[in-house]
Amino acid sequence: TQLLEQSPQFLSIQEGENLTVYCNSSSVFSSLQWYRQEPGEGPVLLVTVVTGGEVKKLKRLTFQFGDARKDSSLHITAAQPGDTGLYLCAAPDTPLVFGKGTRLSVIA
Amino acid sequence: GAGVSQSPSNKVTEKGKDVELRCDPISGHTALYWYRQSLGQGLEFLIYFQGNSAPDKSGLPSDRFSAERTGGSVSTLTIQRTQQEDSAVYLCASSLYARVNEQFFGPGTRLTVL
Repeated sequence: TQLLEQSPQFLSIQEGENLTVYCNSSSVFSSLQWYRQEPGEGPVLLVTVVTGGEVKKLKRLTFQFGDARKDSSLHITAAQPGDTGLYLCAAPDTPLVFGKGTRLSVIA
Repeated sequence: GAGVSQSPSNKVTEKGKDVELRCDPISGHTALYWYRQSLGQGLEFLIYFQGNSAPDKSGLPSDRFSAERTGGSVSTLTIQRTQQEDSAVYLCASSLYARVNEQFFGPGTRLTVL
């Protein structure tokens, strides 16, 4: 079983601040996914990163896959209250293997 | 089309009772998954179904847990003789095939065992 470590576990910031959350493992992955889960809902896929060193942008969110394909980061620029939620990384397997997530709270 | 739906959205039961949780996947999706999410924890895999193949039950925590999928569509997760540690959000997801990595999740059923 591939183990995904996410950090920080909790993050509370003010609106407008920047932040980065991390997903790390000792295993090499063919790809990694990031999901966001809002309160009372199921996780929703944000992005899949596939190539080592790849950077993908989704509006104010920037996802990076490490060169060695063992880790990934999610950077949010100018966070907004709507970014509040649980951010989960997941490794491609059947079924998917999830990290425990970073719970982000953006305060207006 | 409609997304994954789950019912009930909330279930409160007494210790020792049996409960059934229902999942309606996206039409045409052949793979269906059940996860459990406890407070402060990530998603714990329970069981998955792929087409007509035998389900992968490797994540079921005890023999009190079982699931079935009728006609390759609707699935029911049954927990017998519920315990307080069974309290969690139970999430269902479906995907086009088991090897397609994007899973679509339902809103979950919040189970509280008193």
